[in-house]
Amino acid sequence: GIQVEQSPPDLILQEGANSTLRCNFSDSVNNLQWFHQNPWGQLINLFYIPSGTKQNGRLSATTVATERYSLLYISSSQTTDSGVYFCAVEPGGGSYIPTFGRGTSLIVHP
Amino acid sequence: GAGVSQSPSNKVTEKGKDVELRCDPISGHTALYWYRQSLGQGLEFLIYFQGNSAPDKSGLPSDRFSAERTGGSVSTLTIQRTQQEDSAVYLCASSLAGRRETQYFGPGTRLLVL
Repeated sequence: GIQVEQSPPDLILQEGANSTLRCNFSDSVNNLQWFHQNPWGQLINLFYIPSGTKQNGRLSATTVATERYSLLYISSSQTTDSGVYFCAVEPGGGSYIPTFGRGTSLIVHP
Repeated sequence: GAGVSQSPSNKVTEKGKDVELRCDPISGHTALYWYRQSLGQGLEFLIYFQGNSAPDKSGLPSDRFSAERTGGSVSTLTIQRTQQEDSAVYLCASSLAGRRETQYFGPGTRLLVL
């Protein structure tokens, strides 16, 4: 099956810093999602982004499907950005089953 | 308004017993998803319901797992003859329409099989 790798596995930032999280995948995909899980376990669906760039406040995401990667940018990080960020890809061929990466754990210190 | 709710929040059971997990989606949401999250396997998709269509069961790990959605609203995930490897957090999400809509997640049910 398709492989999804996220980097870095862990990231520690000072409040106000910017960061870039990466998601690499091993095959063509129909879609890609980014999720945030806060330290209390609540999951939030951030973006559906099969290609191109989307922005939502301080967060933006870019997927370059032809090169099989996606990037999540966090600008002016806040302590509330702490948690784990997951990407999930839907492989091509009509299968919906999303495959998740292992996540990037982010800690933002005040 | 009310978000996605799940019950119970925690469940401890003995190996071999059956368990039922419940999900109440956001009112008016036609799509419902079940996932599970465990330390060993990470996040996994289990099943997807869209309206009155037949569910996409392609993520269910074995035939001990089944799910139904009554009246297009509440869903129950049933695990028969539980095994220790079924221990995980089971997460439910709903979205307004199809798979490309934003999913809203419940708090999860933490299942421990002894």
